[in-house]
Amino acid sequence: AQKITQTQPGMFVQEKEAVTLDCTYDTSDQSYGLFWYKQPSSGEMIFLIYQGSYDEQNATEGRYSLNFQKARKSANLVISASQLGDSAMYFCAMSDDYGGSQGNLIFGKGTKLSVKP
Amino acid sequence: GAGVSQTPSNKVTEKGKYVELRCDPISGHTALYWYRQSLGQGPEFLIYFQGTGAADDSGLPNDRFFAVRPEGSVSTLKIQRTERGDSAVYLCASSLGIGFVAEQFFGPGTRLTVL
Repeated sequence: AQKITQTQPGMFVQEKEAVTLDCTYDTSDQSYGLFWYKQPSSGEMIFLIYQGSYDEQNATEGRYSLNFQKARKSANLVISASQLGDSAMYFCAMSDDYGGSQGNLIFGKGTKLSVKP
Repeated sequence: GAGVSQTPSNKVTEKGKYVELRCDPISGHTALYWYRQSLGQGPEFLIYFQGTGAADDSGLPNDRFFAVRPEGSVSTLKIQRTERGDSAVYLCASSLGIGFVAEQFFGPGTRLTVL
């Protein structure tokens, strides 16, 4: 069965430093998509970054990069130069039908990131 | 442009009552998803629409839950005989349809409290 595991309930990082949020996944599909979402205290889910299972290069979006290690089934999020506004819950998610007809997301339990000034 | 909107933002009801939650997706998005997020958890998939039809309702917890999207745009999630365990934030998301990267845009959610 598809599953997303985030083993870090909470993380602290000093402002301007980089931080890595861990995510491992389990799927029997060959085609899948991996996503990271940010959820501030306001509650809205904000899309950050996407990685397709066939993408050879790690995805990057501004200060966000995804460290994709397919053989280890890990998709860690790296945030560079942390800002106070990065304090939020971060969810890793997987779609088990890459660009296909479904696309419903399976989420992990999330990691609460706190950025210290 | 306008994002996904959900109404009401908060709903308090009594056990056993019927509730309707509304989602208005981004214009032109053919795919619409409902998720439920309990306190301290990630969102859990409920149902997915492609156009007007429910393409996958495998996440609905039981037959008290039902959703419709009659004209392929606005969707309503309906919960009958509400129970205290139904209390959660109900999130709606929409995306462009088949053939696109399935980036889902989420609404602000409806916080349902069943007393």
